[in-house]
Amino acid sequence: DVKVTQSSRYLVKRTGEKVFLECVQDMDHENMFWYRQDPGLGLRLIYFSYDVKMKEKGDIPEGYSVSREKKERFSLILESASTNQTSMYLCASGYYEQFFGPGTRLTVL
Amino acid sequence: GENVEQHPSTLSVQEGDSAVIKCTYSDSASNYFPWYKQELGKRPQLIIDIRSNVGEKKDQRIAVTLNKTAKHFSLHITETQPEDSAVYFCAASKMYVEYGNKLVFGAGTILRVKS
Repeated sequence: DVKVTQSSRYLVKRTGEKVFLECVQDMDHENMFWYRQDPGLGLRLIYFSYDVKMKEKGDIPEGYSVSREKKERFSLILESASTNQTSMYLCASGYYEQFFGPGTRLTVL
Repeated sequence: GENVEQHPSTLSVQEGDSAVIKCTYSDSASNYFPWYKQELGKRPQLIIDIRSNVGEKKDQRIAVTLNKTAKHFSLHITETQPEDSAVYFCAASKMYVEYGNKLVFGAGTILRVKS
């Protein structure tokens, strides 16, 4: 079974804090993705990586950056968290089918 | 870039009835169209997908149809059951050799099956 795990299910941070969300997959996938999920907006792609050395901006990259130091690990970084970044964050990996992690519900106060 | 619109946003059906969810896409270069199901509190999971060289695909009670000319595709669920209650997302993508899919998702449809 493909397993995609995320470091936290729930996270509460303060405005201005630096936030790290981590994702690990065990299927040797080259491709990994970060989405945010908001009611009525579906899943929107923040960043993706199709190689350890390659990272690409998605549709809503502003306020985020990513790190991929190892093939199995893809981290999303909120440089200075803001209240409008309160959301559910989903990591995924895969080439055709994308396998999702359980999500991290981030609240920024 | 690609834009995907999904309708309806909510759908209530009686158990045993059929449910249809429709999506339209804007980029004629898109050639891969998956559907994901997300049960309450769980992660999205792929339930069926279709590529642009195929007009219809079935898997037991679910089917997807694609009209490339009109740039729309639909999910059909027959004989609905309470366990079909979930949020359904359509998506569209052009397949890239380097990295597979860069999916653009619709806003989602909340399906409620009443027993």
